Amino acid sequence: GAVVSQHPSWVICKSGTSVKIECRSLDFQATTMFWYRQFPKQSLMLMATSNEGSKATYEQGVEKDKFLINHASLTLSTLTVTSAHPEDSSFYICSATEEPLAYEQYFGPGTRLTVT
Amino acid sequence: EDQVTQSPEALRLQEGESSSLNCSYTVSGLRGLFWYRQDPGKGPEFLFTLYSAGEEKEKERLKATLTKKESFLHITAPKPEDSATYLCAVPNQGGKLIFGQGTELSVKP
Repeated sequence: GAVVSQHPSWVICKSGTSVKIECRSLDFQATTMFWYRQFPKQSLMLMATSNEGSKATYEQGVEKDKFLINHASLTLSTLTVTSAHPEDSSFYICSATEEPLAYEQYFGPGTRLTVT
Repeated sequence: EDQVTQSPEALRLQEGESSSLNCSYTVSGLRGLFWYRQDPGKGPEFLFTLYSAGEEKEKERLKATLTKKESFLHITAPKPEDSATYLCAVPNQGGKLIFGQGTELSVKP
């Protein structure tokens, strides 16, 4: 149980274009999903918390207009990187909690974004 | 301030050489301590949750223990396939996970 998938696993896009990353909970309903960013040899950095049916809560320093998060259903959250630039190249990982108010998070396999 | 510190940053072991990874934490009210394994280019894989001092959990060659200030991940007779980065994390009052920087474990045959 508690399986989270992400699509795509990797994507290359040109500078100035937008790219969408999907995060799905496969065998449970995820009231809350999280989006992280990870640079090489560094730990995970929380970008935002998304709750189904409401606006995402962004961490300090994360541009909400650049990283659009939509949590339209209990099994799907999307992260759209708008007008991507090379500095947005990173490893993006989503996670979800299996139960409401649970602290244990289950992570997706990650999406490698490269902006050229 | 809530904080998680892991040591060492990197650990190289020979196959069969047992050792321990440390995770020290400072948090207002422990709501669980989580250990994850992360392979290169992959998302973290959940290993253990510990909730109270004195608690221990085991899975194959791994055993996690918890005190009031730190947690240890003991690796007994490791194999090359145990090579990965091990992350520990605690949730803060807002429910967000505070991660340590991780310990990169390399086990040589």
